[in-house]
Amino acid sequence: SQTIHQWPATLVQPVGSPLSLECTVEGTSNPNLYWYRQAAGRGLQLLFYSVGIGQISSEVPQNLSASRPQDRQFILSSKKLLLSDSGFYLCAWARDSNTGELFFGEGSRLTVL
Amino acid sequence: LAKTTQPISMDSYEGQEVNITCSHNNIATNDYITWYQQFPSQGPRFIIQGYKTKVTNEVASLFIPADRKSSTLSLPRVSLSDTAVYYCLVGGPNAGNMLTFGGGTRLMVKP
Repeated sequence: SQTIHQWPATLVQPVGSPLSLECTVEGTSNPNLYWYRQAAGRGLQLLFYSVGIGQISSEVPQNLSASRPQDRQFILSSKKLLLSDSGFYLCAWARDSNTGELFFGEGSRLTVL
Repeated sequence: LAKTTQPISMDSYEGQEVNITCSHNNIATNDYITWYQQFPSQGPRFIIQGYKTKVTNEVASLFIPADRKSSTLSLPRVSLSDTAVYYCLVGGPNAGNMLTFGGGTRLMVKP
């Protein structure tokens, strides 16, 4: 069966510090991968998606970046965090023949102070 | 991309049937309609997916009219544990693999 994991689960970082959130998928190959962010009490904002290794599409210009160094690994990064980067970050995968069925990780809660 | 519109919130009581409607006027021919449930501090969980007419599984039913410009998620006999945010998502291969959620509907089930 397929599984998705992301870490760390919780992170408290000072403004201006770097960020690295990692997501891995097991049990499937060539998945579509997604990073979403959810601010407190708000909906899901699509940040990045990837259809293959090294292929990243960005939905919202910001100080975040994403990379896909391996087929089932998706990394969200920042060189300098802003207060507005605080939120709940969710990684998700979908089959390459995507019809909208997403499978989400456990989430990473980031607090920038 | 098909944009979705849902009510911001709904209240219900235990044992009632709840119907949440989502509007997606510019849905594309190859788009599917998928509903998710999200509890606080958790990722959304797939509930049901459909393309047209009616789909039913062990937890919900999904009604899609012939024009597919809307869909209705039906939860039979809700319980307190059904209190959550419900999202409607429209997407498919033609969406370029971008899957954008709407604002969701916050359902509060009262005793």
